[in-house]
Amino acid sequence: KNQVEQSPQSLIILEGKNCTLQCNYTVSPFSNLRWYKQDTGRGPVSLTIMTFSENTKSNGRYTATLDADTKQSSLHITASQLSDSASYICVVSGATSGTYKYIFGTGTRLKVLA
Amino acid sequence: KAGVTQTPRYLIKTRGQQVTLSCSPISGHRSVSWYQQTPGQGLQFLFEYFSETQRNKGNFPGRFSGRQFSNSRSEMNVSTLELGDSALYLCASSFEQPKTSGRGNIQYFGAGTRLSVL
Repeated sequence: KNQVEQSPQSLIILEGKNCTLQCNYTVSPFSNLRWYKQDTGRGPVSLTIMTFSENTKSNGRYTATLDADTKQSSLHITASQLSDSASYICVVSGATSGTYKYIFGTGTRLKVLA
Repeated sequence: KAGVTQTPRYLIKTRGQQVTLSCSPISGHRSVSWYQQTPGQGLQFLFEYFSETQRNKGNFPGRFSGRQFSNSRSEMNVSTLELGDSALYLCASSFEQPKTSGRGNIQYFGAGTRLSVL
């Protein structure tokens, strides 16, 4: 069964600290993995997109890693800021016979405290 | 440049009614996708349109339908509403046509339409 599991479900950290969010998937075939940030009351915003051959992708203070062998990805946030408080969603895409599918994780809710 | 615009932002309906949601993509974008987001299931893909043609469809019943117009604007319709249809419905647009391999396209999301079914 195609699944994307994220951990932890929620996380509280102090401003300035680093944190790492996890995403494990069983989606096959695999085309790409995306991380989104979703602020409360807003639509998701794309942070990174990685294909099978990419194992690291950075976007400012956000760095995503991908291990296609173990089917694991992580999103590392460096020097967190209050504005990083949001839900972070991992999405795995795959294509079979020209049909594309998107499997979403349920997200990690991050709260950054001053 | 204006972002993705979804209307209305909030909607309250009763069971059995039907509803139509609208999405205006970013100017120049020709691909529009729809998603349902609920606290229990998270985000789920509904369908994707490009050049007025449905290119991809998720696992939702036939009560959920959509269409795209020649100006790339899209509408989503849900007939015979059920309580479980209460959700945030998100629309996303991208410039290129849907890809079936590789990196795929960057999608830009609207703020969504929050539908409550009573």
